[in-house]
Amino acid sequence: GQNIDQPTEMTATEGAIVQINCTYQTSGFNGLFWYQQHAGEAPTFLSYNVLDGLEEKGRFSSFLSRSKGYSYLLLKELQMKDSASYLCAVRPRGGSYIPTFGRGTSLIVHP
Amino acid sequence: KAGVTQTPRYLIKTRGQQVTLSCSPISGHRSVSWYQQTPGQGLQFLFEYFSETQRNKGNFPGRFSGRQFSNSRSEMNVSTLELGDSALYLCASSIETGYNEQFFGPGTRLTVL
Repeated sequence: GQNIDQPTEMTATEGAIVQINCTYQTSGFNGLFWYQQHAGEAPTFLSYNVLDGLEEKGRFSSFLSRSKGYSYLLLKELQMKDSASYLCAVRPRGGSYIPTFGRGTSLIVHP
Repeated sequence: KAGVTQTPRYLIKTRGQQVTLSCSPISGHRSVSWYQQTPGQGLQFLFEYFSETQRNKGNFPGRFSGRQFSNSRSEMNVSTLELGDSALYLCASSIETGYNEQFFGPGTRLTVL
């Protein structure tokens, strides 16, 4: 099975940089997802990391270390609209492909 | 291209009743997955359908069931509702089963009284 851990809540200031961490223990690992979910809305896909290293997409970057069971989502130049829940999810290797989600990190961006 | 649609958006039922939720995937997507989201448990996988067949199933009781039609639209049914079934039910579609990127619908908010 999988066990995924991420902080429950974080706060940051508009214009700043924030790093949201996710650690996981899994019996088989294929890759790790990050999703953004605004209150009352559906999750939207941000990234999927399979290999170690940093992947950058505009203001958002995602990092993965398979050997450490660790990932982070880096948000730069924070905007008020970035206030949302950020979900980390692990996809198992082989078998069902179905991702297991963490409980999400609620990010609050204040002026 | 239209996104994933779910109906109804909100539903209020009483204990013991049953409910059917509907999901229409993005055109061309053949895989539909259902998730339950609650504040306490987060997002939990219910089941996945592909080509009208259930491909994967999460750890939920048999009261939760689903099906997929030939046009890839999917329904899920919950029988004998319990208070703990109150949740946001999300549907996600992807091109194929096992495909990396899933697109979520807005969800159906079910309240059981």
